[in-house]
Amino acid sequence: EADIYQTPRYLVIGTGKKITLECSQTMGHDKMYWYQQDPGMELHLIHYSYGVNSTEKGDLSSESTVSRIRTEHFPLTLESARPSHTSQYLCASSEFGGPETQYFGPGTRLLVL
Amino acid sequence: SQQGEEDPQALSIQEGENATMNCSYKTSINNLQWYRQNSGRGLVHLILIRSNEREKHSGRLRVTLDTSKKSSSLLITASRAADTASYFCATDFTGGGNKLTFGTGTQLKVEL
Repeated sequence: EADIYQTPRYLVIGTGKKITLECSQTMGHDKMYWYQQDPGMELHLIHYSYGVNSTEKGDLSSESTVSRIRTEHFPLTLESARPSHTSQYLCASSEFGGPETQYFGPGTRLLVL
Repeated sequence: SQQGEEDPQALSIQEGENATMNCSYKTSINNLQWYRQNSGRGLVHLILIRSNEREKHSGRLRVTLDTSKKSSSLLITASRAADTASYFCATDFTGGGNKLTFGTGTQLKVEL
């Protein structure tokens, strides 16, 4: 099991609410990622970070934002949740340099009513 | 898009049989990886094959890579019910900044 954690595991929330999905890892990895995955579908990269104070947008446009103030922590925030944000959000991390093997958290299933 | 395409989309076999999944991609790569995802969970890394390798083994897993055809296959031998999961290929494509692009996945069901 990878030492990468996500909370909450499940979240049901109303439209317009602000939410933060937490992701933390204890492996000291510099690189961290957020993916969005609809049921039975492929993963889409929405944000990534190469280290503290580094954040980049991924291949899939997302209304969410991220921050990286500490190496181990990479939270994702939605300022105003909408039903179109309903999905599974997966966080991952990897070491800097070398082959890009990623370690995934268990995911957060988000349902916006 | 450099996204990988996998086939079949779904595969159902009996325990003890072999399962083969294929992945095709569009651009040159540094390496290709296979991941497993159990229902509702995160992904688990299975195996990585570099662009200069043609075949790799890990336990009951065998991965091949044909860069001329831009394709890879994952073979699971002597499958078990616990192998039931979705399997994704992921490419670290050249010039992609070491980010991974995931394929569409194959849903494998192994029945007793």
